[in-house]
Amino acid sequence: DAGVTQSPTHLIKTRGQHVTLRCSPISGHKSVSWYQQVLGQGPQFIFQYYEKEERGRGNFPDRFSARQFPNYSSELNVNALLLGDSALYLCASSLEARGGSLTQYFGPGTRLTVL
Amino acid sequence: DAKTTQPTSMDCAEGRAANLPCNHSTISGNEYVYWYRQIHSQGPQYIIHGLKNNETNEMASLIITEDRKSSTLILPHATLRDTAVYYCIVRVSPNDYKLSFGAGTTVTVRA
Repeated sequence: DAGVTQSPTHLIKTRGQHVTLRCSPISGHKSVSWYQQVLGQGPQFIFQYYEKEERGRGNFPDRFSARQFPNYSSELNVNALLLGDSALYLCASSLEARGGSLTQYFGPGTRLTVL
Repeated sequence: DAKTTQPTSMDCAEGRAANLPCNHSTISGNEYVYWYRQIHSQGPQYIIHGLKNNETNEMASLIITEDRKSSTLILPHATLRDTAVYYCIVRVSPNDYKLSFGAGTTVTVRA
């Protein structure tokens, strides 16, 4: 079975631009979460979506937004890019939205560089 | 979320068992212990999780102390490909919707 897939793999943008990152969850998984990982740190939670609704949001500015589609794939949008947005953006999927025993599986990530 | 404490780094000889400790002294009764690892520039990989019983799968074993205040991840026969950052995370059930990653332990397996 295919794991979590993300596109693109790498992306270079300039300050002020916007970017859209895409994620396809594992087949049968209904929840998608997004994380940001800057160099040298652990991943930080941005959003979780379940059944097309936002179920959780981390401490990120409103420039960050996301949505989930009927096929459970998801997009992360970042507007007005700043140099500090340069990071590895990770998508994780799980069967459901909550529950300590519901494991999240991560994709390979999208490496965003803002110049 | 309960906070976790892990050593910053550790070395391990190839072919030997690697024992990775994690302290979570403020863990609550309904919090699970999760382990993930991240090989350089890749997405985190799920390893194992448990609540209070010891767990084993094809990748590793998880030993949780009886008071649940600490745990140990055991990689039984470390290989060079096990070199990675290992994260110990506690997660509340059923209301926790995110994983809170700390700095993790950088494990280097040496030939």
